[in-house]
Amino acid sequence: GENVEQHPSTLSVQEGDSAVIKCTYSDSASNYFPWYKQELGKRPQLIIDIRSNVGEKKDQRIAVTLNKTAKHFSLHITETQPEDSAVYFCAATRNTGTASKLTFGTGTRLQVTL
Amino acid sequence: EAQVTQNPRYLITVTGKKLTVTCSQNMNHEYMSWYRQDPGLGLRQIYYSMNVEVTDKGDVPEGYKVSRKEKRNFPLILESPSPNQTSLYFCASSFLDRNTEAFFGQGTRLTVV
Repeated sequence: GENVEQHPSTLSVQEGDSAVIKCTYSDSASNYFPWYKQELGKRPQLIIDIRSNVGEKKDQRIAVTLNKTAKHFSLHITETQPEDSAVYFCAATRNTGTASKLTFGTGTRLQVTL
Repeated sequence: EAQVTQNPRYLITVTGKKLTVTCSQNMNHEYMSWYRQDPGLGLRQIYYSMNVEVTDKGDVPEGYKVSRKEKRNFPLILESPSPNQTSLYFCASSFLDRNTEAFFGQGTRLTVV
């Protein structure tokens, strides 16, 4: 089955700096890679996703890159703000139309300090 | 409003006392799943269902049961809870035939003493 590794497990940055979280996956057939943000005491919520036919996707201050050859994808947050402090999860899935299982990384706790 | 609703939000129980955590979604999603979240281990899938009466084990199914008698509901059953099942549980749902967002419930914090 799929295995997703995520690094680092904790990340502390100063407000205004950039943050990068990296994930690798094992199943070369995985074709969908979402990122979820979980604020303290809340449910995980999707912040950005990328499909295997795209190498990069941006949405304001966040971007995700995908390298299918190396089987890794990364989340980039620029101009970090205190409200970016949360746990971030990457995930990978192979959606075949009759099966779809999200496998999550172990999470990165991002702390944005003033 | 599109949502996934779990109940209860918090539960403290004793070892061996059967309990059920309910999950309901109003988005007509085929795919529903249960995860447990533990520090340092991320979100691990317990069971999933691809449609009514179709369920299968995830990565950590031991000690849990599920059922899918209706499309909108996917309860998680702990027949004989043990302290190692103390965790934060999330239900999630999504469409099966396309790569789209998985919506999560609010979470259930379970403590087994």
